[in-house]
Amino acid sequence: KAGVTQTPRYLIKTRGQQVTLSCSPISGHRSVSWYQQTPGQGLQFLFEYFSETQRNKGNFPGRFSGRQFSNSRSEMNVSTLELGDSALYLCASSPEISTGALAKNIQYFGAGTRLSVL
Amino acid sequence: GEDVEQSLFLSVREGDSSVINCTYTDSSSTYLYWYKQEPGAGLQLLTYIFSNMDMKQDQRLTVLLNKKDKHLSLRIADTQTGDSAIYFCAESIRGANNLFFGTGTRLTVIP
Repeated sequence: KAGVTQTPRYLIKTRGQQVTLSCSPISGHRSVSWYQQTPGQGLQFLFEYFSETQRNKGNFPGRFSGRQFSNSRSEMNVSTLELGDSALYLCASSPEISTGALAKNIQYFGAGTRLSVL
Repeated sequence: GEDVEQSLFLSVREGDSSVINCTYTDSSSTYLYWYKQEPGAGLQLLTYIFSNMDMKQDQRLTVLLNKKDKHLSLRIADTQTGDSAIYFCAESIRGANNLFFGTGTRLTVIP
């Protein structure tokens, strides 16, 4: 099976622009999560989608949004970019469909999209 | 809260064992995970352990969990230069389907 695919791998944008990142999960996985990785804040959860619905959301401003399509592919969008949005954005897919106590929630990560905001 | 802490750096000699430690605060953790990140790459899942277990072994990797002290460790036997990377512990908690990550430990293996 192919792994999680993220495109593009690198992006350079300027302040005030918007950007869209794409993620194709492992075939058969219906849950897709997005994380932001920065040297200062580490790995922080952005949001999770399951069956085209946002199921969980982290503590990020509304400029960060996402969606999921019927084939489970997901996109995230950042509007009005700020310098502090420069980061590695990681997408992860999971075969887990439950959020119950015994859910393994094993997440498989893509290589990430490195966004630089100038 | 979901604070997960790790020491930042660890250096070991090739062939020695490495032990990477992690502490977490949330008592409703269900599973705990170890991920590896090499330069320019995403996160690679190494192993995971259910919160009611105390040990799991997988080839060169041994995970120890002390639930009372909320302490997790990853032991890598016969450490090789290819093991040089950043290692993250992560937890999932009951009712949430995202992971909470530690700060990461940069392991350097000296030939």
